[in-house]
Amino acid sequence: DAGVTQSPTHLIKTRGQQVTLRCSPKSGHDTVSWYQQALGQGPQFIFQYYEEEERQRGNFPDRFSGHQFPNYSSELNVNALLLGDSALYLCASSPQGGGFLYTGELFFGEGSRLTVL
Amino acid sequence: AQTVTQSQPEMSVQEAETVTLSCTYDTSESDYYLFWYKQPPSRQMILVIRQEAYKQQNATENRFSVNFQKAAKSFSLKISDSQLGDAAMYFCAYLEYGNKLVFGAGTILRVKS
Repeated sequence: DAGVTQSPTHLIKTRGQQVTLRCSPKSGHDTVSWYQQALGQGPQFIFQYYEEEERQRGNFPDRFSGHQFPNYSSELNVNALLLGDSALYLCASSPQGGGFLYTGELFFGEGSRLTVL
Repeated sequence: AQTVTQSQPEMSVQEAETVTLSCTYDTSESDYYLFWYKQPPSRQMILVIRQEAYKQQNATENRFSVNFQKAAKSFSLKISDSQLGDAAMYFCAYLEYGNKLVFGAGTILRVKS
């Protein structure tokens, strides 16, 4: 059983460009969350998707947007890239079924390392 | 908003010895959940242990245990019989309603052979 898979593993962009990161959740999981982890820091919650809708959002600007597909996979899009967007972007999946307090384990992917020059 | 503080940027332990990683948090809630996650060089976050605030008993998972002090808002992780494979970044995290995990800044654990 494949776990959470993310692509690409690494990518380099320049300021002002746009980027799309992809995530396939663990089999049987219906909810996908995205986190940003800057170097030397803990992950910060970006947003969460369930049933193809954004359900929760952290303190991130509208340049960060996402999508969830009928097969539960998800994309994270970042527009007008800034140097400060350089980070590891982690995707996590869970079988929440719509609940707002899921206390079980989140399954994380290995992340996409984004470098903005 | 809830905050999580890990005051030890880096810790070292000798193989087979015991080490304790510290974590404090701030919340006005009475019932909540706390987690320790491990992030090895592979970057994949792995759940180590979970504690429910309304449970008085400290959680344990094999060599990993917590010291949960609710009044002090402290949630430390004890690793017994440390192994080389325990070397990683460890994050303390608080679960907010809405399924947001609030992470601390992390503690790098180095294990010496």
